Amino acid sequence: DSGVTQTPKHLITATGQRVTLRCSPRSGDLSVYWYQQSLDQGLQFLIQYYNGEERAKGNILERFSAQQFPDLHSELNLSSLELGDSALYFCASSVSSRVGTQYFGPGTRLTVL
Amino acid sequence: QQQVKQSPQSLIVQKGGISIINCAYENTAFDYFPWYQQFPGKGPALLIAIRPDVSEKKEGRFTISFNKSAKQFSLHIMDSQPGDSATYFCAASKETSGSRLTFGEGTQLTVNP
Repeated sequence: DSGVTQTPKHLITATGQRVTLRCSPRSGDLSVYWYQQSLDQGLQFLIQYYNGEERAKGNILERFSAQQFPDLHSELNLSSLELGDSALYFCASSVSSRVGTQYFGPGTRLTVL
Repeated sequence: QQQVKQSPQSLIVQKGGISIINCAYENTAFDYFPWYQQFPGKGPALLIAIRPDVSEKKEGRFTISFNKSAKQFSLHIMDSQPGDSATYFCAASKETSGSRLTFGEGTQLTVNP
């Protein structure tokens, strides 16, 4: 158990809908990362937050957004969902915004029908 | 642009054998190279990591070999066990400018009893 929690574990929804994925980092970790894992794209970095502020952006679609709250939990919002958004979404956390091990949560499996 | 290339895509090894997975990177600014292990239905878990100031790091049965001039690094699993059967990902990051991970494509390792 990495200490990173993600909810929900599974999510099934329809095209055009909006969903919110939630992540709670390990106790003491200030940095949160979101990654998408799909069969054709592998593991791709989406976005990073550190202590409530956005620090880095990867290949995140404009339909996707994220935030980190004062209690350090983070939410990834996916809107106008398309079939191709079906994937595993992982949250990871680390102590700092730069150096250190990233600990991954168990992921949320999103299925868009 | 795939900045970290991993091979082989799949690997079958007999129990007790040596498993070797290779990665090559393009960006010479990368300064942190972790390996992650992922079991089905779980998030990636850090196995071992290396920084470019050393050429080898060993932890138990797992060894990373690093060749800075060739921009390559590899994971060796000695005395491979059926419990090692999983997907392995190499990754790289630039810790000095945020530590988002760029992952290789993954290697599915099967260790036969």
